[in-house]
Amino acid sequence: AQSVTQLDSHVSVSEGTPVLLRCNYSSSYSPSLFWYVQHPNKGLQLLLKYTSAATLVKGINGFEAEFKKSETSFHLTKPSAHMSDAAEYFCVVSESNTGKLIFGQGTTLQVKP
Amino acid sequence: ETGVTQTPRHLVMGMTNKKSLKCEQHLGHNAMYWYKQSAKKPLELMFVYNFKEQTENNSVPSRFSPECPNSSHLFLHLHTLQPEDSALYLCASSQVAGQQNQPQHFGDGTRLSIL
Repeated sequence: AQSVTQLDSHVSVSEGTPVLLRCNYSSSYSPSLFWYVQHPNKGLQLLLKYTSAATLVKGINGFEAEFKKSETSFHLTKPSAHMSDAAEYFCVVSESNTGKLIFGQGTTLQVKP
Repeated sequence: ETGVTQTPRHLVMGMTNKKSLKCEQHLGHNAMYWYKQSAKKPLELMFVYNFKEQTENNSVPSRFSPECPNSSHLFLHLHTLQPEDSALYLCASSQVAGQQNQPQHFGDGTRLSIL
């Protein structure tokens, strides 16, 4: 069965510094992986997706993620944090046989001025 | 994201009330979903509809009753809810259910509070 583990429940960075949100996955098949962001009182917005094409995936708002099969990781990065990036981030894997989304527990990103 | 619209945004109801949540998607998708998001818990999938047919009921109590009259609209009818049902209810849509590489597009949710 597929699963995802977000290694940090809370990450705090200063504005203008790099962001790293860590995600490890477990999958017997070639996975489909997603990152979503949720701002307060909002729904989930798709940041990027990996579906077995290029291993470095570029998303919206300057975010990108690298699929590393050898490490079973799909970490989310951004070179320079902005105050508006403060939100909850979810790493998600799609089940291979049902397409169901399996969500990680989420990482709260705090951006300090 | 205006592709999936949920109404109302906030709802307060007593345990004996009957109310409905509405979701509409303007993306031309064929699959729609209801999720429950409670504090400190992962998102819980409740129901899945594919081409108007229910394909998944994730052991949801019968006090939650979904309805999907067409591929663009999804309702969640509520009656005799419990305090533990207070949560954010999210609607999502995708092109088709059951395919691995399909991202889902979410609405902003309905914040439900049970008194």
